[in-house]
Amino acid sequence: AQSVTQPDIHITVSEGASLELRCNYSYGATPYLFWYVQSPGQGLQLLLKYFSGDTLVQGIKGFEAEFKRSQSSFNLRKPSVHWSDAAEYFCAVASSGGSYIPTFGRGTSLIVHP
Amino acid sequence: DTGVSQNPRHKITKRGQNVTFRCDPISEHNRLYWYRQTLGQGPEFLTYFQNEAQLEKSRLLSDRFSAERPKGSFSTLEIQRTEQGDSAMYLCATTGQGISEQYFGPGTRLTVT
Repeated sequence: AQSVTQPDIHITVSEGASLELRCNYSYGATPYLFWYVQSPGQGLQLLLKYFSGDTLVQGIKGFEAEFKRSQSSFNLRKPSVHWSDAAEYFCAVASSGGSYIPTFGRGTSLIVHP
Repeated sequence: DTGVSQNPRHKITKRGQNVTFRCDPISEHNRLYWYRQTLGQGPEFLTYFQNEAQLEKSRLLSDRFSAERPKGSFSTLEIQRTEQGDSAMYLCATTGQGISEQYFGPGTRLTVT
């Protein structure tokens, strides 16, 4: 069964600092990987996705993520955080065939200090 | 705007009452998914439709839960005899051009008192 671990429940950074949110997945074959962001009381917005090819993927809002098969990781990064980035971030893994039903991690809450 | 609307946005009900939520994609997307999200957790899959056919249901979807998608457009999720444990955010998602990526509505927050 597929699973996702986001080891950090909360991350606090200063505005303008760099950011890395960790995600480890468990899946037997090549997974489909996603990062979503959720603002309070809202649905999830897709930041970026990895299906195949280049292991460094670019997303919206200046985010990027790197797929490392050897480490079963798909960490999210941003070089300079803005106060508006404060939100909940979810990593998800889906099977690469069939139903594409994603399994989500429990999320990492990003707090941005001015 | 993801093109997915959900109504109502908030619902407070008493234990034992029935509730129904609605999900409306702007256009008729191929697949439609329902999730439940509790505080401090990621979304958990409940069920999904391809057009009007309900193809998969999670073991989380007890017999008190039923979902429909008539004509393959909007969908409804009904919970009968609500329990306090049903309090959660219920999210609907549809697929975009690629069926592997999903776009979420704003959710319906259910509070059972």
